[in-house]
Amino acid sequence: AQSVTQLGSHVSVSEGALVLLRCNYSSSVPPYLFWYVQYPNQGLQLLLKYTTGATLVKGINGFEAEFKKSETSFHLTKPSAHMSDAAEYFCAVSEGNQGGKLIFGQGTELSVKP
Amino acid sequence: DTGVSQDPRHKITKRGQNVTFRCDPISEHNRLYWYRQTLGQGPEFLTYFQNEAQLEKSRLLSDRFSAERPKGSFSTLEIQRTEQGDSAMYLCASSLESGSRLKNIQYFGAGTRLSVL
Repeated sequence: AQSVTQLGSHVSVSEGALVLLRCNYSSSVPPYLFWYVQYPNQGLQLLLKYTTGATLVKGINGFEAEFKKSETSFHLTKPSAHMSDAAEYFCAVSEGNQGGKLIFGQGTELSVKP
Repeated sequence: DTGVSQDPRHKITKRGQNVTFRCDPISEHNRLYWYRQTLGQGPEFLTYFQNEAQLEKSRLLSDRFSAERPKGSFSTLEIQRTEQGDSAMYLCASSLESGSRLKNIQYFGAGTRLSVL
């Protein structure tokens, strides 16, 4: 069975500071990994995804994530936080090329202080 | 491309009533997914369709829940005899899969928020 753990339900950073949101996964098959962002009263928007190949993936809005198989991690980073980054972030895993359903973590709420 | 559309956006009902939600996927997307999201949690998978075929159902989908995608386009999710525990955001997503390698880029709608009184 697959699972996702996001460390820290709430992260607060200052504007311009580094953003680091942690995600660890469990999967018995090579996983696909995703980060989604959700703004209040909206659906989820895909930030980036890892399938195969390059382990450092770049997404929209300056975010990137690195797949580390040995650590079963897929942490999300952004060098400099912007006020507009304040939102809920979800890490998700699917069974690679075998299935479509996404298994989500519980989410991390990012606050950005001026 | 108008995105994934869900209707209604909000639904308030009394316990024991039946409710039905509709999802219109992105045009020509052959896969359609339903998820449920409760407050403070990540979305939980309910079921998904490839064209009109329902390929997987979660054990969360009790016999009070039924989903259809009769013509491989829009989908409906019905909850019969609603309970207070059914109160949640119901999210729909769609994706286009072709070829042998799964892409699995799911586009989400804004959701239907159900409140059961």
